[in-house]
Amino acid sequence: DAGVIQSPRHEVTEMGQEVTLRCKPISGHDYLFWYRQTMMRGLELLIYFNNNVPIDDSGMPEDRFSAKMPNASFSTLKIQPSEPRDSAVYFCASSLGLAGVQETQYFGPGTRLLVL
Amino acid sequence: DQQVKQNSPSLSVQEGRISILNCDYTNSMFDYFLWYKKYPAEGPTFLISISSIKDKNEDGRFTVFLNKSAKHLSLHIVPSQPGDSAVYFCAASAWDNNNDMRFGAGTRLTVKP
Repeated sequence: DAGVIQSPRHEVTEMGQEVTLRCKPISGHDYLFWYRQTMMRGLELLIYFNNNVPIDDSGMPEDRFSAKMPNASFSTLKIQPSEPRDSAVYFCASSLGLAGVQETQYFGPGTRLLVL
Repeated sequence: DQQVKQNSPSLSVQEGRISILNCDYTNSMFDYFLWYKKYPAEGPTFLISISSIKDKNEDGRFTVFLNKSAKHLSLHIVPSQPGDSAVYFCAASAWDNNNDMRFGAGTRLTVKP
Protein backbone atom coordinates (compact mmCIF):
# COMPACT_ATOMS: atom_id res chain seq x y z
CA ASP A 1 0.00 0.00 0.00
CA ALA A 2 1.25 3.48 -0.82
CA GLY A 3 0.15 4.86 2.51
CA VAL A 4 -1.94 7.96 2.99
CA ILE A 5 -1.71 10.21 -0.04
CA GLN A 6 -2.20 13.95 0.09
CA SER A 7 -2.26 16.56 -2.61
CA PRO A 8 -1.03 19.09 -3.30
CA ARG A 9 2.18 18.95 -1.27
CA HIS A 10 2.54 22.71 -1.39
CA GLU A 11 0.00 25.41 -2.00
CA VAL A 12 0.58 29.14 -2.18
CA THR A 13 -2.47 31.31 -2.61
CA GLU A 14 -3.69 34.81 -2.02
CA MET A 15 -5.99 35.85 0.75
CA GLY A 16 -9.61 35.40 -0.19
CA GLN A 17 -9.04 32.51 -2.56
CA GLU A 18 -10.55 29.07 -2.12
CA VAL A 19 -8.20 26.27 -1.17
CA THR A 20 -8.97 22.56 -1.50
CA LEU A 21 -6.77 19.93 0.08
CA ARG A 22 -7.16 16.28 -0.89
CA CYS A 23 -6.54 13.01 0.88
CA LYS A 24 -6.65 9.33 0.00
CA PRO A 25 -6.57 7.12 3.10
CA ILE A 26 -5.08 3.67 3.35
CA SER A 27 -7.43 1.13 1.83
CA GLY A 28 -9.50 -0.62 4.46
CA HIS A 29 -9.10 2.06 7.11
CA ASP A 30 -12.46 3.11 8.52
CA TYR A 31 -11.29 6.35 10.13
CA LEU A 32 -9.93 9.46 8.49
CA PHE A 33 -8.57 12.49 10.33
CA TRP A 34 -7.61 16.00 9.31
CA TYR A 35 -5.00 17.81 11.41
CA ARG A 36 -3.39 21.21 11.26
CA GLN A 37 0.15 21.78 12.47
CA THR A 38 1.41 25.18 13.52
CA MET A 39 4.47 26.21 15.46
CA MET A 40 2.41 27.63 18.28
CA ARG A 41 -0.15 24.89 18.75
CA GLY A 42 1.47 21.76 17.40
CA LEU A 43 -0.90 19.21 15.91
CA GLU A 44 -4.58 20.04 16.22
CA LEU A 45 -7.38 17.70 15.24
CA LEU A 46 -9.80 19.49 12.95
CA ILE A 47 -12.31 16.78 12.07
CA TYR A 48 -12.57 13.05 11.71
CA PHE A 49 -14.75 10.63 9.79
CA ASN A 50 -15.88 7.08 10.46
CA ASN A 51 -17.04 5.16 7.41
CA ASN A 52 -17.31 8.43 5.47
CA VAL A 53 -19.49 10.08 8.10
CA PRO A 54 -18.19 13.12 10.00
CA ILE A 55 -18.10 12.24 13.69
CA ASP A 56 -16.48 15.20 15.40
CA ASP A 57 -15.85 18.55 13.74
CA SER A 58 -15.42 20.54 16.94
CA GLY A 59 -11.84 21.31 15.99
CA MET A 60 -12.76 23.08 12.79
CA PRO A 61 -11.74 26.69 13.48
CA GLU A 62 -14.65 28.43 11.80
CA ASP A 63 -17.23 28.26 9.07
CA ARG A 64 -14.65 29.01 6.42
CA PHE A 65 -13.45 25.44 6.88
CA SER A 66 -15.39 22.47 5.55
CA ALA A 67 -14.56 18.82 4.99
CA LYS A 68 -16.20 16.08 3.00
CA MET A 69 -15.70 12.39 2.45
CA PRO A 70 -17.81 11.34 -0.53
CA ASN A 71 -16.44 7.79 -0.49
CA ALA A 72 -14.08 5.54 1.42
CA SER A 73 -11.06 6.48 -0.65
CA PHE A 74 -11.27 10.25 -0.84
CA SER A 75 -11.66 13.26 1.40
CA THR A 76 -11.32 17.00 0.94
CA LEU A 77 -10.68 19.88 3.28
CA LYS A 78 -11.77 23.21 1.88
CA ILE A 79 -11.01 26.70 3.12
CA GLN A 80 -13.11 29.46 1.65
CA PRO A 81 -12.13 32.25 1.79
CA SER A 82 -8.58 31.64 2.91
CA GLU A 83 -6.75 34.01 5.27
CA PRO A 84 -3.05 34.43 6.09
CA ARG A 85 -3.58 32.90 9.53
CA ASP A 86 -4.60 29.66 7.84
CA SER A 87 -1.01 29.16 6.77
CA ALA A 88 0.11 25.86 8.25
CA VAL A 89 0.82 22.26 7.37
CA TYR A 90 -2.34 20.20 7.03
CA PHE A 91 -2.09 16.47 7.65
CA CYS A 92 -4.49 13.72 6.79
CA ALA A 93 -4.31 10.45 8.71
CA SER A 94 -6.22 7.19 8.68
CA SER A 95 -6.63 4.28 11.06
CA LEU A 96 -8.35 0.93 11.27
CA GLY A 97 -10.36 1.59 14.36
CA LEU A 98 -10.63 3.02 17.81
CA ALA A 99 -9.02 0.81 20.38
CA GLY A 100 -5.57 -0.54 21.13
CA VAL A 101 -3.34 -1.19 18.17
CA GLN A 102 -6.06 -0.09 15.81
CA GLU A 103 -5.76 3.43 17.11
CA THR A 104 -2.39 3.88 15.46
CA GLN A 105 -2.88 6.56 12.90
CA TYR A 106 -0.92 6.65 9.69
CA PHE A 107 -0.19 10.10 8.43
CA GLY A 108 0.16 11.47 4.96
CA PRO A 109 3.11 13.71 4.04
CA GLY A 110 1.07 16.85 4.62
CA THR A 111 0.15 19.88 2.55
CA ARG A 112 2.09 23.01 3.31
CA LEU A 113 -0.26 25.94 2.82
CA LEU A 114 0.86 29.54 2.56
CA VAL A 115 -1.77 32.24 2.27
CA LEU A 116 -0.36 35.60 1.27
CA ASP B 1 -7.06 23.67 25.75
CA GLN B 2 -3.74 21.91 25.91
CA GLN B 3 -4.58 18.55 27.42
CA VAL B 4 -1.25 17.15 26.34
CA LYS B 5 1.83 19.20 27.00
CA GLN B 6 5.41 18.85 25.93
CA ASN B 7 7.13 21.61 27.82
CA SER B 8 10.50 21.29 26.17
CA PRO B 9 10.41 22.57 22.59
CA SER B 10 13.90 21.27 21.94
CA LEU B 11 16.49 18.85 23.26
CA SER B 12 20.10 18.32 22.24
CA VAL B 13 21.95 15.12 23.08
CA GLN B 14 25.32 13.64 22.23
CA GLU B 15 25.39 10.50 20.11
CA GLY B 16 25.45 7.38 22.25
CA ARG B 17 23.85 9.07 25.25
CA ILE B 18 20.28 8.72 26.45
CA SER B 19 17.54 11.01 25.16
CA ILE B 20 14.59 11.57 27.47
CA LEU B 21 11.52 13.28 26.09
CA ASN B 22 8.76 14.20 28.49
CA CYS B 23 5.04 14.61 28.17
CA ASP B 24 2.35 15.62 30.67
CA TYR B 25 -1.38 15.33 30.35
CA THR B 26 -4.31 16.73 32.26
CA ASN B 27 -7.21 14.49 31.29
CA SER B 28 -7.42 11.52 33.65
CA MET B 29 -9.65 9.73 31.15
CA PHE B 30 -6.78 9.21 28.73
CA ASP B 31 -5.93 5.52 28.60
CA TYR B 32 -3.79 5.11 25.51
CA PHE B 33 -0.62 6.99 24.72
CA LEU B 34 1.53 7.14 21.66
CA TRP B 35 4.72 8.71 20.45
CA TYR B 36 5.14 9.86 16.86
CA LYS B 37 8.32 10.92 15.14
CA LYS B 38 8.35 13.51 12.41
CA TYR B 39 11.11 14.33 9.95
CA PRO B 40 11.05 17.60 7.99
CA ALA B 41 8.68 17.60 5.02
CA GLU B 42 7.16 14.27 6.07
CA GLY B 43 4.08 13.30 8.04
CA PRO B 44 4.40 11.96 11.59
CA THR B 45 5.13 8.25 11.85
CA PHE B 46 4.09 6.01 14.69
CA LEU B 47 6.95 5.08 17.00
CA ILE B 48 5.71 3.36 20.15
CA SER B 49 2.61 3.23 22.31
CA ILE B 50 1.49 2.24 25.79
CA SER B 51 -1.82 1.37 27.34
CA SER B 52 -2.77 2.70 30.75
CA ILE B 53 -2.72 -0.83 32.19
CA LYS B 54 1.05 -0.86 31.79
CA ASP B 55 3.77 1.39 33.09
CA LYS B 56 6.48 0.49 30.63
CA ASN B 57 6.76 -0.61 27.05
CA GLU B 58 10.01 -1.32 25.31
CA ASP B 59 10.84 -1.67 21.63
CA GLY B 60 14.50 -1.88 20.82
CA ARG B 61 16.21 1.38 21.68
CA PHE B 62 12.88 3.02 22.55
CA THR B 63 11.13 2.73 25.90
CA VAL B 64 8.04 4.56 27.01
CA PHE B 65 7.29 4.97 30.71
CA LEU B 66 3.89 5.90 32.06
CA ASN B 67 3.25 7.36 35.51
CA LYS B 68 -0.52 7.59 35.82
CA SER B 69 -0.54 9.18 39.25
CA ALA B 70 1.64 12.01 37.96
CA LYS B 71 -0.09 12.07 34.57
CA HIS B 72 3.31 11.91 33.00
CA LEU B 73 4.95 9.83 30.34
CA SER B 74 8.41 9.83 28.91
CA LEU B 75 10.21 8.40 25.92
CA HIS B 76 13.74 7.12 26.41
CA ILE B 77 16.03 6.55 23.47
CA VAL B 78 19.23 4.76 24.24
CA PRO B 79 21.69 4.90 22.71
CA SER B 80 20.75 7.99 20.74
CA GLN B 81 21.78 8.13 17.10
CA PRO B 82 22.03 11.07 14.69
CA GLY B 83 19.19 9.53 12.66
CA ASP B 84 16.94 10.00 15.68
CA SER B 85 17.06 13.75 15.12
CA ALA B 86 13.44 14.70 14.49
CA VAL B 87 10.40 16.24 16.14
CA TYR B 88 8.69 13.89 18.58
CA PHE B 89 4.99 14.24 19.31
CA CYS B 90 3.28 12.76 22.32
CA ALA B 91 -0.37 11.81 21.83
CA ALA B 92 -3.13 10.58 24.11
CA SER B 93 -6.66 9.32 23.68
CA ALA B 94 -9.57 8.06 25.75
CA TRP B 95 -11.61 5.01 24.84
CA ASP B 96 -14.80 6.76 25.92
CA ASN B 97 -14.11 9.93 23.99
CA ASN B 98 -14.76 8.93 20.41
CA ASN B 99 -11.10 8.51 19.63
CA ASP B 100 -10.38 12.19 20.12
CA MET B 101 -6.62 11.94 20.08
CA ARG B 102 -4.76 14.93 21.47
CA PHE B 103 -1.23 15.78 20.52
CA GLY B 104 1.44 17.74 22.31
CA ALA B 105 3.23 20.58 20.56
CA GLY B 106 6.28 18.42 19.90
CA THR B 107 9.92 18.35 21.02
CA ARG B 108 12.70 18.77 18.50
CA LEU B 109 15.48 16.31 19.28
CA THR B 110 18.94 16.91 17.89
CA VAL B 111 21.50 14.15 18.31
CA LYS B 112 25.00 15.42 17.72
CA PRO B 113 27.68 13.10 16.32
